[in-house]
Amino acid sequence: SQELEQSPQSLIVQEGKNLTINCTSSKTLYGLYWYKQKYGEGLIFLMMLQKGGEEKSHEKITAKLDEKKQQSSLHITASQPSHAGIYLCGADLFPGNMLTFGGGTRLMVKP
Amino acid sequence: DTAVSQTPKYLVTQMGNDKSIKCEQNLGHDTMYWYKQDSKKFLKIMFSYNNKELIINETVPNRFSPKSPDKAHLNLHINSLELGDSAVYFCASSQASGAGTQYFGPGTRLLVL
Repeated sequence: SQELEQSPQSLIVQEGKNLTINCTSSKTLYGLYWYKQKYGEGLIFLMMLQKGGEEKSHEKITAKLDEKKQQSSLHITASQPSHAGIYLCGADLFPGNMLTFGGGTRLMVKP
Repeated sequence: DTAVSQTPKYLVTQMGNDKSIKCEQNLGHDTMYWYKQDSKKFLKIMFSYNNKELIINETVPNRFSPKSPDKAHLNLHINSLELGDSAVYFCASSQASGAGTQYFGPGTRLLVL
């Protein structure tokens, strides 16, 4: 089993719809990171959350970390085809800032 | 300018060969990392390295070894390649020693035949 569980594993939405991706751990998350990976390409950094209850937004993407620092959500408002890709959450569970990643959520946005 | 670059982008080789993947970062970061992403897209840490300390994920076979000629480079050397080594390998770097946001390279797609 993964130390970081992401849900859903895949998601297909109609353009303009809102969506939420979740990242959950049984351990406390120190430094929770959200990345986006376009198919066949590298990872693009989106946001980092560190404090319980923290929320950050960039354009139409909002990420939150719960008060217990064990769950994070990524919310996309009014999705567009450009949002399509694989969203990965990563957290510092090992010493030395070696990130542990969730299994990823594959997002497809239908025009 | 590319922040974190990797070469080659694609690598196809035979079982038993030894190969190296190169990584360079021009961000002035202190720490570099190697990750492996398997066919199911699971991304797993392999190494964390700065000029003082190497941290190895204990699940990584000792056929894999990081080599750093200087702070801006961390190469991954793989001995006696096996079929199961086929994956995408990502290099990343972060500013502080073992902390902060990591920036990833574009990946090297390794196929072992």
